[in-house]
Amino acid sequence: AQKITQTQPGMFVQEKEAVTLDCTYDTSDQSYGLFWYKQPSSGEMIFLIYQGSYDEQNATEGRYSLNFQKARKSANLVISASQLGDSAMYFCAMREADGYNKLIFGAGTRLAVHP
Amino acid sequence: GAVVSQHPSWVICKSGTSVKIECRSLDFQATTMFWYRQFPKQSLMLMATSNEGSKATYEQGVEKDKFLINHASLTLSTLTVTSAHPEDSSFYICSASGQAQREHYEQYFGPGTRLTVT
Repeated sequence: AQKITQTQPGMFVQEKEAVTLDCTYDTSDQSYGLFWYKQPSSGEMIFLIYQGSYDEQNATEGRYSLNFQKARKSANLVISASQLGDSAMYFCAMREADGYNKLIFGAGTRLAVHP
Repeated sequence: GAVVSQHPSWVICKSGTSVKIECRSLDFQATTMFWYRQFPKQSLMLMATSNEGSKATYEQGVEKDKFLINHASLTLSTLTVTSAHPEDSSFYICSASGQAQREHYEQYFGPGTRLTVT
């Protein structure tokens, strides 16, 4: 069965510093996709970054980058130059290869950025 | 980018009544819509997947007679919580994806509906 694990319930970082949020996954599929979403206190889910299992380069989107280590089955999110507005819940998710593109979510990590 | 709306954004209802939540894709045709439930301080749990014009596929443990899903058009899906009870109080989020989305069939999420059953 497919599974996403986020082992850090909470993290804090100083403003302008970089922070890494961990995510490991388990799947027997060869083709899969990994996502990171941000959920502020308002509840909306904000898409941050995507990594396909066949992508050779690590994905980057502005201050977000994904450290994809396929052999280790990890897909850590790196946020550079943290801002106060980055304080939120962060969810790692994997797309199932079931034809419906369902997403399985990890438990989430709450990030607090301190001034 | 693609926009998904939900209505209402929050609702309070009495135990035993039914509540309908709408999910609309505003600028694209959503061939598939997903309904999630999120309890406080927890992750999103998929409840069901619906394709336009066909019956929804429910996840294990989700009562299909209690959570009625109708995906009547390519832009609208509804979730009806029937005979709601306090334990149904939660944050309900829909998402939508269509063939026209980016290559990885990204899901676009609605803003969520907070349901409180008294």
